Amino acid sequence: QSVLTQPPSASGTPGQRVTISCSGSSSNIGSNTVNWYKQLPGTAPKLLIYSNSQRPSGVPDRVSGSKSGTSASLAISGLQSEDEADYYCAAWDDSLNGNWVFGGGTKLTVL
Amino acid sequence: QAQLVQSGSELKQPGASVKVSCKASGYSFTNYAMNWVRQAPGQGLEWMGWINTNTGNPTYAQAFTGRFVFSLDTSVSTAYLQIYSLKAEDTAVYYCARNPGWRGTGWFDPWGQGTLVTVSS
Repeated sequence: QSVLTQPPSASGTPGQRVTISCSGSSSNIGSNTVNWYKQLPGTAPKLLIYSNSQRPSGVPDRVSGSKSGTSASLAISGLQSEDEADYYCAAWDDSLNGNWVFGGGTKLTVL
Repeated sequence: QAQLVQSGSELKQPGASVKVSCKASGYSFTNYAMNWVRQAPGQGLEWMGWINTNTGNPTYAQAFTGRFVFSLDTSVSTAYLQIYSLKAEDTAVYYCARNPGWRGTGWFDPWGQGTLVTVSS
């Protein structure tokens, strides 16, 4: 059971816009920033969004992130086949001695 | 640019130990924290802890105390993860990941390519 809750799957057709949610609590998303990672099959995760909504160099502007209260969202517009991957949200959790926590991951399928 | 290169896959028997290396290049090693993340087969990501590359002080997530040890060799810009008394449930891919922040800030970028550790008799 992951501390951050994501839907296990999402899908869309090429060109569509999809969103992936990430729900947490006051000790993690509610008080810290959210990062998103993209993982293609058999490869290492890659940073996709940091500090809630910032894109690293090389990430297209059709990818965006947002945060409100204890939830965050990742949006991908103009869906492409290369977007088919697993997506994970992550945030620092202030409870106990502090931990980085991840969502369980969302598998995005491009139909 | 910054890059992390990990050691190759390992096949170990239960009860043995393993040491995974993560060699950094393209940046000043001691300016960034190094984190370790586990991914069991078909599962999600699990944070194991981090090591302060300035002081060598490790911090372990609750599930990774006792048999897991983080260490450094700053002379060769390399971080290590050692796992003792291996169990079948330690079978996973282990990633190192750089963090520009310390403790609860920042993000993980880049990641090493991962090291598959298989524990089987």
